[in-house]
Amino acid sequence: AQTVTQSQPEMSVQEAETVTLSCTYDTSESNYYLFWYKQPPSRQMILVIRQEAYKQQNATENRFSVNFQKAAKSFSLKISDSQLGDTAMYFCASSGTYKYIFGTGTRLKVLA
Amino acid sequence: EAGVAQSPRYKIIEKRQSVAFWCNPISGHATLYWYQQILGQGPKLLIQFQNNGVVDDSQLPKDRFSAERLKGVDSTLKIQPAKLEDSAVYLCASSSGQNQPQHFGDGTRLSIL
Repeated sequence: AQTVTQSQPEMSVQEAETVTLSCTYDTSESNYYLFWYKQPPSRQMILVIRQEAYKQQNATENRFSVNFQKAAKSFSLKISDSQLGDTAMYFCASSGTYKYIFGTGTRLKVLA
Repeated sequence: EAGVAQSPRYKIIEKRQSVAFWCNPISGHATLYWYQQILGQGPKLLIQFQNNGVVDDSQLPKDRFSAERLKGVDSTLKIQPAKLEDSAVYLCASSSGQNQPQHFGDGTRLSIL
């Protein structure tokens, strides 16, 4: 079975600080992709970052980077220099041959 | 490029009534998804289309929910009859392929009285 687990329902961080959101997953597929999506309050869900499982190098997108530990099936998101606009729900997701599974989300609040 | 369009944005109905949602994906996107997102939870996939064929509808309550994607473009999701537990945001998303990033619409917020 394919599962995605986010164990931190809520987190907060001071503006300009760094925060790491956790995600673990399980899949029987050898070729899969992992994603982090952001859903700001009352706004559209948008892609933050994508990682291809066969690539060892961690994906980076400006202030957002991942720590992909394939053996541990861990896929955490690091947000550097947090900004007020980063306040949102963050969802981890995995995609395989047929299934696209989302985690339950982490609500991140950036404090001024 | 134009994003994923959904309508209506909000809908309020009484239980046992029927309701329909519409989605127009990004042009050229072959894969279309419908999700149900209950407040405070992550999106739950209801149905996935590849062009006009169904790839996965394992979590669609088929006794009351139905969806179609005519001509492999627009899609409609219908609930008949609605139950109180169907109150949620219904999200439509599209992508250029199975493992590609999904582009989401604004969603339809459904309230059942």
